[in-house]
Amino acid sequence: EPEVTQTPSHQVTQMGQEVILRCVPISNHLYFYWYRQILGQKVEFLVSFYNNEISEKSEIFDDQFSVERPDGSNFTLKIRSTKLEDSAMYFCASSEGLAGGIAGELFFGEGSRLTVL
Amino acid sequence: GESVGLHLPTLSVQEGDNSIINCAYSNSASDYFIWYKQESGKGPQFIIDIRSNMDKRQGQRVTVLLNKTVKHLSLQIAATQPGDSAVYFCAEAYTGGFKTIFGAGTRLFVKA
Repeated sequence: EPEVTQTPSHQVTQMGQEVILRCVPISNHLYFYWYRQILGQKVEFLVSFYNNEISEKSEIFDDQFSVERPDGSNFTLKIRSTKLEDSAMYFCASSEGLAGGIAGELFFGEGSRLTVL
Repeated sequence: GESVGLHLPTLSVQEGDNSIINCAYSNSASDYFIWYKQESGKGPQFIIDIRSNMDKRQGQRVTVLLNKTVKHLSLQIAATQPGDSAVYFCAEAYTGGFKTIFGAGTRLFVKA
């Protein structure tokens, strides 16, 4: 069964360092997303990406964040200068999209845990 | 503003009983609703969805009910099993917006 894969599973970094989280979405999906989940809290939307550009982004997704689809398979999230409060589990997701412009069922990866010291 | 929330943070049920998890939403523009299940250490997993032109949808052992009048969503799990123990999130989306907003989550404990 196709699945979304994420690397690394866990990354520890120093405050102020750049971090890149990588994702391989399901191959025939057209829409890609990043979410984050601080321990024990809800899943927060960061950004959606379609047709090589950002579709929507949340207030969390400030200038320190960027996304890229550098080739036909990878989808990356970069945090330029990490802060302590960036520590969280970051989930990548993809979807086919539904008629009428709705995201539809999201398929999530297992997550990348980021710890900022 | 957008807000999706849950009435109960935890729910404990006996194996074999039915479970009902409730959710309130406040964005009138939302027309697509989804329930996700998250097991420990894993990403959320789709359970069932419903569009706003429906008030009930059934899957395998799960039923979602939508009451647009009071902006309420519920997930019913029949014959709850130990494998159903997880955190359940309701989520909402709207036509033209590729953004799914998750609620706070309800942890379901199934007692054997």
